[in-house]
Amino acid sequence: ETGVTQTPRHLVMGMTNKKSLKCEQHLGHNAMYWYKQSAKKPLELMFVYNFKEQTENNSVPSRFSPECPNSSHLFLHLHTLQPEDSALYLCASSQEVGRTQFGELFFGEGSRLTVL
Amino acid sequence: GDSVTQMEGPVTLSEEAFLTINCTYTATGYPSLFWYVQYPGEGLQLLLKATKADDKGSNKGFEATYRKETTSFHLEKGSVQVSDSAVYFCATGTASKLTFGTGTRLQVTL
Repeated sequence: ETGVTQTPRHLVMGMTNKKSLKCEQHLGHNAMYWYKQSAKKPLELMFVYNFKEQTENNSVPSRFSPECPNSSHLFLHLHTLQPEDSALYLCASSQEVGRTQFGELFFGEGSRLTVL
Repeated sequence: GDSVTQMEGPVTLSEEAFLTINCTYTATGYPSLFWYVQYPGEGLQLLLKATKADDKGSNKGFEATYRKETTSFHLEKGSVQVSDSAVYFCATGTASKLTFGTGTRLQVTL
């Protein structure tokens, strides 16, 4: 496998369910990201992990819980979601080379989430 | 905070037509500017970038010039192909944080 892979590609869940999205990068990068893509809205940065440490939490509701066990894997745990959380969730990775320099973002194909 | 404004789509062009997708930004400091492209069913991929004023990014026939005086980074291509049909995102960023626009859908027809 190469690049950034996300599973599942599609997920339908009820508001009381608990599910997780998984992201894996095979690029040797040290930073990983979760973005939310909704129709007619800019991509929203949700979380950033740099060297497994969370460095950004963009005021994301606590019903979204990220986990980064190592620099290659990133999870987004979902619980008690709302219908407005339905969106495409994109994972990305990059190589941080310093506080003011970073490499290109490589995105996965996304996980399409529908909350009923 | 940073923001990016892109022209609303969809943009529909005939093959071999000239393309311009406008992008303006607001940002503090000295941001880099990017265009990402998202083909149907795929994630975003970097199309081109520019890291300082007057730089021109280019790739696959697409070009964009970093204009600090007008805070713009318009995407252009002289002759589009059907295979260019996709959603194009302008983005600005420093460090590890990118701010994206809403995206502009391009549809190229024969």
